[in-house]
Amino acid sequence: AQSVTQLDSQVPVFEEAPVELRCNYSSSVSVYLFWYVQYPNQGLQLLLKYLSGSTLVKGINGFEAEFNKSQTSFHLRKPSVHISDTAEYFCAVSPNILTGGGNKLTFGTGTQLKVEL
Amino acid sequence: GAGVSQSPSNKVTEKGKDVELRCDPISGHTALYWYRQSLGQGLEFLIYFQGNSAPDKSGLPSDRFSAERTGGSVSTLTIQRTQQEDSAVYLCASSLGARDQPQHFGDGTRLSIL
Repeated sequence: AQSVTQLDSQVPVFEEAPVELRCNYSSSVSVYLFWYVQYPNQGLQLLLKYLSGSTLVKGINGFEAEFNKSQTSFHLRKPSVHISDTAEYFCAVSPNILTGGGNKLTFGTGTQLKVEL
Repeated sequence: GAGVSQSPSNKVTEKGKDVELRCDPISGHTALYWYRQSLGQGLEFLIYFQGNSAPDKSGLPSDRFSAERTGGSVSTLTIQRTQQEDSAVYLCASSLGARDQPQHFGDGTRLSIL
């Protein structure tokens, strides 16, 4: 089984400042890791994913994340945020082995990023 | 269509009624997932389809919940005898295959039980 912890439920930040959203996971098997963004009244949009290879992953909208296996973390970063980045961000994991459940996602509780002027 | 389509976008119904939620995945995607997003429980997996079969139904919260998929395409999630705790956003996602990522999400159906 997998679990995901997003310790920060809300993160306020000023426009053009850097931001880091934290994600830690627990799993008995190797995992794939994802960050999704959700805007109001919309579904989830993939920001970036780690499947294998380089531990530094770049995604859309200038976001990047680094997989740290020893710390079981996958923190999301952006060097300079915009007002339009205001949204809820979800970290998720799935097992990277073929199980009966396909690659069902286990999500964290989300972090609300609020970008202020 | 270009993305995952869900209907209706909003559904309000009375306690005790049955509801059907529809998901039309991206063409060619064989894997289909249903999730539920609620204030108390966050985002939870409900059921996974590979083609028309459902090898993992472990997330369905009770026997009032059922789902089917036909023609390897459209899926319907049915909730019988709805209860107030069923109020949530129901999200559908699809991917090219069981191991292919990422999952592409629809905009969800917001279900409100009065």
